[in-house]
This record gives sequence, structure tokens and C-alpha cells, in this order.
Amino acid sequence: ILNVEQSPQSLHVQEGDSTNFTCSFPSSNFYALHWYRWETAKSPEALFVMTLNGDEKKKGRISATLNTKEGYSYLYIKGSQPEDSATYLCAFEGGSTLGRLYFGRGTQLTVWP
Amino acid sequence: DGGITQSPKYLFRKEGQNVTLSCEQNLNHDAMYWYRQDPGQGLRLIYYSQIVNDFQKGDIAEGYSVSREKKESFPLTVTSAQKNPTAFYLCASSFRDRLTEAFFGQGTRLTVV
Repeated sequence: ILNVEQSPQSLHVQEGDSTNFTCSFPSSNFYALHWYRWETAKSPEALFVMTLNGDEKKKGRISATLNTKEGYSYLYIKGSQPEDSATYLCAFEGGSTLGRLYFGRGTQLTVWP
Repeated sequence: DGGITQSPKYLFRKEGQNVTLSCEQNLNHDAMYWYRQDPGQGLRLIYYSQIVNDFQKGDIAEGYSVSREKKESFPLTVTSAQKNPTAFYLCASSFRDRLTEAFFGQGTRLTVV
């Protein structure tokens, strides 16, 4: 079973703070790294699917970077808002099976007003 | 609106009974997946199917069974052989390509009483 690690496990920040979390994954047999946001009582939703080493993606105040050679990705949130409170999941896509994802345990972010 | 529907949202089962969780999608996705989430753990893959009438075991298939008779539907049966069935179950679907995001249902919380 592939090992995907996320840190920290949980994070509490004040509104307006910027924050970042880490996802580490195997650097071999890599196809893509996915980030999902999972709000309480909702379905996980895709933020980014990243494929190339050095990739940077941005959606509003959220951005992500990818380093496939060393096997890590960072997710950044600039100026956190209470509505950013959610669990952020990363998933490694690789190996021999099309579309199969290996998930980390997630980082639970709470933004206090 | 296109999406994935899981039902029921909450399910209670007596020990020794089989129970079936429903997952339906109208996104025209080829691939469908069942994940299990336990407290403090990441999403773990139970079964997946990439085409109709075909499915494969994931990492924790013991005590579960699935069928894929229609493209839109991928029901999961939790059998009495599953030793610890109380968990949150999440269904997902995607196109049968690499580098494609997954779409998720809202989940079913199963409790064995």
C-alpha cells in the first residue's frame, strides 16, 4: 500500500492569517497529485490536479506547488477566512491502475473569526 | 444537475445482517469507487470498477461485495463477514483516464447496533 503523508493533522488559525500544509508521496511511478477540500456535511471537492514537476496552481486565495522529484506538495491559503475551514485531502495518483487514488489522512483547518 | 447520490445518509444494522449501500451517478463516468473512512484515518479503497460488469478489490475488500450491472450504479454490500463495519462510506466516480478529478457523494454513515 502506498504511503501518503499529510502534516499537520490539524491547524487552528485566526481570520486573516496565511497558512500552509504539506503532502508527501512516493516519487516513483507518479502521474498526478490531487488536492480536495472537504467541508463538514458536504462532499469532497477537487481543488487541483497537478502533474508536472514545478507545477503551481492557483484558485482565488488558495495555491499549490508540486515537487515530484522529492515527493512533496504544499497547499497555501492566503488571508484565511472562516469559510476556508475544512479538511484538506491530498491524493497520489500513480502505479498501474488508471485513476486510482491513494489518500493521505488530511489536514483539518479551523479558521477563527 | 449532474452528481453522485448516495443513500441512505444514515444506516443502522444489527450484527449478523447484510446491508446494501446505494451509489448512483449521472455524470457519465466510467469508473466508480467505494472508500471507507474511520476516525484518524485517510480514505481507504474498498472496491473499484472501471467498466460495467467488471470490478476489482481495493486495499480492504474483505467482508464487502459489489456489483456493476449499469454504468450509473455501483452498490456496496456490507456482509456479516465484515468484522468492524461501523464507519463512514464514501462513493466516488471519475472518467476512466489518468489525471482526472474524482467526484464524491455525501457519504453513508453505517452503525452496527
